[in-house]
Amino acid sequence: KNQVEQSPQSLIILEGKNCTLQCNYTVSPFSNLRWYKQDTGRGPVSLTIMTFSENTKSNGRYTATLDADTKQSSLHITASQLSDSASYICVVSDRGSTLGRLYFGRGTQLTVWP
Amino acid sequence: EADIYQTPRYLVIGTGKKITLECSQTMGHDKMYWYQQDPGMELHLIHYSYGVNSTEKGDLSSESTVSRIRTEHFPLTLESARPSHTSQYLCASSGSAGGELFFGEGSRLTVL
Repeated sequence: KNQVEQSPQSLIILEGKNCTLQCNYTVSPFSNLRWYKQDTGRGPVSLTIMTFSENTKSNGRYTATLDADTKQSSLHITASQLSDSASYICVVSDRGSTLGRLYFGRGTQLTVWP
Repeated sequence: EADIYQTPRYLVIGTGKKITLECSQTMGHDKMYWYQQDPGMELHLIHYSYGVNSTEKGDLSSESTVSRIRTEHFPLTLESARPSHTSQYLCASSGSAGGELFFGEGSRLTVL
């Protein structure tokens, strides 16, 4: 069964600290993996998208890694800011059909305290 | 910045009312999607369209219906709302299947 599991479910850190969010997936065949940031009450916004051949991609203070062999990804946030408080969603796309079906994780709720 | 818009952002209505959630995008994308999201849960695909006059049901069964008469417009309609329809509805579009997805701000529906 194709699934995307994220951990931890929630995380609280102090402003300025770093943190790492995890994503494990069983989606096959794999096409790409995306990380989205979703502020409370808003729509998700894309942070990174990685294909099979990419093992790291950065977007400012956000760095995503991908290990396609172990089917794991992580999102590292450096020097956190209050505005980083949000849900971070891992999404995996398969290439088994023209639909490019997407599998969503439940997200990690990050809270950054001053 | 994504050019995809949803209205209304918030809607509180009584049971049995008909509602339409609007979604428009100005990026010329052929592919549009409706997702339903409950607090702390993953997004579930309820409808998608790959072009004008093309609509399909998604993974999650929904009593809502959609139409795609124009490329830029993908409204969702509930003929008779019930409390079980209370949820956040997110519209999205993409330039290609499996490509980057751009989301609207969402419509938070509460049915009393």
